[in-house]
Amino acid sequence: DMQMTQSPSSLSASVGDRVTITCRASQTISNSLNWYQQKPGKAPQLLIYAATKLQSGVPSRFSGSGSGTDFSLTITSLQPEDFATYYCQQTYTTRWTFGQGTKVDIK
Amino acid sequence: EVQLVQSGAEVKKPGESLTISCKGSGYSFPSYWIGWVRQMPGKGLEWMGTINPRDSDTRYSLSLQGQVTMSVDRSISTAYLQWTSLKASDTGMYFCARRQEVVSTTGAFWRSFDLWGPGTLVTVSS
Repeated sequence: DMQMTQSPSSLSASVGDRVTITCRASQTISNSLNWYQQKPGKAPQLLIYAATKLQSGVPSRFSGSGSGTDFSLTITSLQPEDFATYYCQQTYTTRWTFGQGTKVDIK
Repeated sequence: EVQLVQSGAEVKKPGESLTISCKGSGYSFPSYWIGWVRQMPGKGLEWMGTINPRDSDTRYSLSLQGQVTMSVDRSISTAYLQWTSLKASDTGMYFCARRQEVVSTTGAFWRSFDLWGPGTLVTVSS
């Protein structure tokens, strides 16, 4: 299976901070990369698809970049509702895989 | 309202069988593949597989193939995940999700899970 490695595993940040999470694929996946947000006890929510495209209804402070093997999710001006766990997901291969997650909590 | 509604929490013993369900509403159920995602307690998301409601074509995770069975009943817009013999290690939250496919003008396409059910908690304990 394609391996997806996120970093960091966790981070502490303050409201208003700029936060960047990275995701690396074990092989090239073009731009077949999605980002999800999950809050405790809730289902994940799609934020970004195709590495850079903002899903409808998602605030513009979320953005994605990258292609090939290296990707990032950036949250400009972190809001209280953004404290959550974030997952990347590759859909390049038939069998999709998720990164291990990055937990963003309050400093 | 466009939504996926999942069946309620289950408590089972090792060796028992189980089927959980995921009902789509507010959209054309046959038009979107349904995926299943596992989340073990305190852990991350694990892609289990996907099924095409039109023809029941399936894709399974290699690690889970043979351990679970995905199926659909198009007549009632419902997808199912089935175990014939549960293990304690099957304990976790199981999400169903709708597979979105966005196609560009050049023919390139991108897939993702754009709509999720709330999850079904499965507890397997003796």
